Amino acid sequence: EPEVTQTPSHQVTQMGQEVILRCVPISNHLYFYWYRQILGQKVEFLVSFYNNEISEKSEIFDDQFSVERPDGSNFTLKIRSTKLEDSAMYFCASSDLMVDQPQHFGDGTRLSIL
Amino acid sequence: QKEVEQNSGPLSVPEGAIASLNCTYSDRVSQSFFWYRQYSGKSPELIMSIYSNGDKEDGRFTAQLNKASQYVSLLIRDSQPSDSATYLCAVNSGGAGNMLTFGGGTRLMVKP
Repeated sequence: EPEVTQTPSHQVTQMGQEVILRCVPISNHLYFYWYRQILGQKVEFLVSFYNNEISEKSEIFDDQFSVERPDGSNFTLKIRSTKLEDSAMYFCASSDLMVDQPQHFGDGTRLSIL
Repeated sequence: QKEVEQNSGPLSVPEGAIASLNCTYSDRVSQSFFWYRQYSGKSPELIMSIYSNGDKEDGRFTAQLNKASQYVSLLIRDSQPSDSATYLCAVNSGGAGNMLTFGGGTRLMVKP
């Protein structure tokens, strides 16, 4: 069964450093998302992306965050200058239609900011 | 502010019993509803989707939706210890970005 793959599984970074999280969505999916989950808290929406542009973003997704589809298979989340509070699990998801279709999640990247 | 509320649990049921998980949501225009299962330290795994009022069955799982009451539920029949996990309710209000709003999850424990 097709799946969303994320790398790395765990990233440890010093505060203030830039980090790039990578995702390969399911191959025929056109809509891509990033969510995060701080330990013990809810899964929170960050951003959705379609046709090479952001469709929607949350208040969390400030100027420190950016997303990119650098080629036909990868989808990346960049955090420009990491803060301690950015420590969380980051999940990439994809869906094959924008409206109503289920989103399928990757295994996540655990980001630890020191 | 779109809210999705779940009882955090834990909900403890004996093996073989029916587990009933509930979720309420605040945004009346919500269009689609999903149940995800999340094992500790893992990612959300899609269990069920439901879009219209009534029941939808898939194997041991039944999702129930009542839009008038803004209420979604998940029934798990013949519960197994492997069903022990946190169950997340997620709601899509149909905005441009297809954003899912998640509840905090209900932790289910199935005891052998």
